[in-house]
Amino acid sequence: GQQLNQSPQSMFIQEGEDVSMNCTSSSIFNTWLWYKQDPGEGPVLLIALYKAGELTSNGRLTAQFGITRKDSFLNISASIPSDVGIYFCAGHNNDMRFGAGTRLTVKP
Amino acid sequence: KAGVTQTPRYLIKTRGQQVTLSCSPISGHRSVSWYQQTPGQGLQFLFEYFSETQRNKGNFPGRFSGRQFSNSRSEMNVSTLELGDSALYLCASSFRTGFNEQYFGPGTRLTVT
Repeated sequence: GQQLNQSPQSMFIQEGEDVSMNCTSSSIFNTWLWYKQDPGEGPVLLIALYKAGELTSNGRLTAQFGITRKDSFLNISASIPSDVGIYFCAGHNNDMRFGAGTRLTVKP
Repeated sequence: KAGVTQTPRYLIKTRGQQVTLSCSPISGHRSVSWYQQTPGQGLQFLFEYFSETQRNKGNFPGRFSGRQFSNSRSEMNVSTLELGDSALYLCASSFRTGFNEQYFGPGTRLTVT
């Protein structure tokens, strides 16, 4: 099925920098979710968003559900080496659609 | 609380064979969803089961099937394996149907030769 448009594909940043990634879709979603996946593991839920315009934080992570319900972004502040991994967005209606992922590399 | 467990973690099969993968959800969770993850196609939804009934289905051929037992454990079956079925198969559980706040297992890495 059609996947979400997630950008950027990869990021190389210095420890301490802020990170921003986003997902867009031509379809409206009722829920947006953000996951992080480490090598050899399943995705881990970071943040779930349920209402258009909702802004939710989880520690250094902040995510927003776009007003149009067709997009979402995730910010990571003051990145640390353990933030390394692949971040996925997902949108939910009757099924789940995923972005292709953003591969984050943090240089100490 | 124990997380989602999947067995086996790794599996090698040959073309034409069939395979059954197992998923045990988090205790109390009644929804189990299955996903296929490949480098080319990314994460794709296969199907969701809730209270032993298939509630949602992705766009996969009929060779992919599943079931859920009364204890919420789920199995996924792939018949007549093809090389393109090589993938990481992930299951995720949640308390309610509808994908909200799903928790993923570590996956089963299937290699078809």
